[in-house]
This record gives sequence, C-alpha cells and structure tokens, in this order.
Amino acid sequence: GIQVEQSPPDLILQEGANSTLRCNFSDSVNNLQWFHQNPWGQLINLFYIPSGTKQNGRLSATTVATERYSLLYISSSQTTDSGVYFCAVGIGNFNKFYFGSGTKLNVKP
Amino acid sequence: DSGVTQTPKHLITATGQRVTLRCSPRSGDLSVYWYQQSLDQGLQFLIQYYNGEERAKGNILERFSAQQFPDLHSELNLSSLELGDSALYFCASSVRRDAEAFFGQGTRLTVV
Repeated sequence: GIQVEQSPPDLILQEGANSTLRCNFSDSVNNLQWFHQNPWGQLINLFYIPSGTKQNGRLSATTVATERYSLLYISSSQTTDSGVYFCAVGIGNFNKFYFGSGTKLNVKP
Repeated sequence: DSGVTQTPKHLITATGQRVTLRCSPRSGDLSVYWYQQSLDQGLQFLIQYYNGEERAKGNILERFSAQQFPDLHSELNLSSLELGDSALYFCASSVRRDAEAFFGQGTRLTVV
C-alpha cells in the first residue's frame, strides 16, 4: 500500500516562531488533506489541497503532486497551535484515506 | 463543528461485550468512512460506505462489522471486545469520493 511519511515527528517551538511540516507520499493520490488534532482528540480540517498552494491566516500549505510531497507552514506560532498535525492522502476509485504518523507540535509561551 | 455527529462520545465496557457506535454524516454527504486511532497504531482506515454500499475495506477485524442505512447514517458494531480494542473511533463523511472529508469528534471506547 501507499506510504505516507511525515517529518519531523516532534517539534518544539517558542511562541512566535515559524515552522514547516512535511508530508511525503509514495504514489499518486486523488486528494490530500491536513488536519490538526487538538488535545481533546478532535480532528480539525486545515486544508484540502490535492495540488497547489492555499493560505488561511497564519497557516499555508503547498502540495507538489508530481513530486509527491506537501508542506504545511505555520507562521507566528501560538500556544493554541499545539497538538498533532496529520497529513492524509486519498487513493483508489473510492478514495481510501491513509494517514501519516503525524507531527507532534508543542508551542511554549 | 464539522457537521458529522458521533454517538456516544465515551463508552466503557467489559471484555467479551458487544457495542454499537453511531455516525450521522453531514447533510448531503454520501460517503462514510470509519477509522480507529489507538496509541500504538495511529489512525487506521477500517471501512468505507458510499450511498449504502460497502466500497473499501481496510484493517477491519472479523469481529467488527458496519453498515450504512438508507438515511445514510452508519453504525460500527464491535463484538467479543478485547482490551486491545480500546481506542478512539472516528467517522468521517464526504460528498463524493474525491471531495474533502470531515471528521466527527470520535467515540472513545475503553474496554476493561
């Protein structure tokens, strides 16, 4: 099956710092999404981005489908950004979703 | 609020028991997905339904089964529960196969 690798696995930032999270995938995909899992376990949609670049406030994402990677940028990080960030890719006729193992972000005040 | 509703939020049950988790997708969404998130396995795809029909299967145990009803809500049945089945179970829905998927808040199952 498809491999979805996220890096780094853990990240500690000081509030106000910027960061880049990476997602590599091993095969062509129908779509790609980034999620933030908050400390209460809720999965929050950040971006639906099968290709191209999108921005939403302090967050932006870029997917280069031909090179099989996606990047999530977090600027001016805040303590509320803490949690686990997941990349998920959809493959096949019925878009089976596969998740990466996540990047655990801890933003310190 | 994603619009996907899962009940119950928490469930504690004993080994050997059977439970049913319920998911109501967003209005208009035909696809429903089930995922299991345990500490050592990450988020694992279990099964997908589209408009009442099973479309894809992942790492779903034979003790687990699911269905999607005509009103598009879905149920995940877990039987002969074991301690290792303790996990967060998520349901997600999307309007079509390649559209954005939205996740419910999950059901936290604890097997004691």
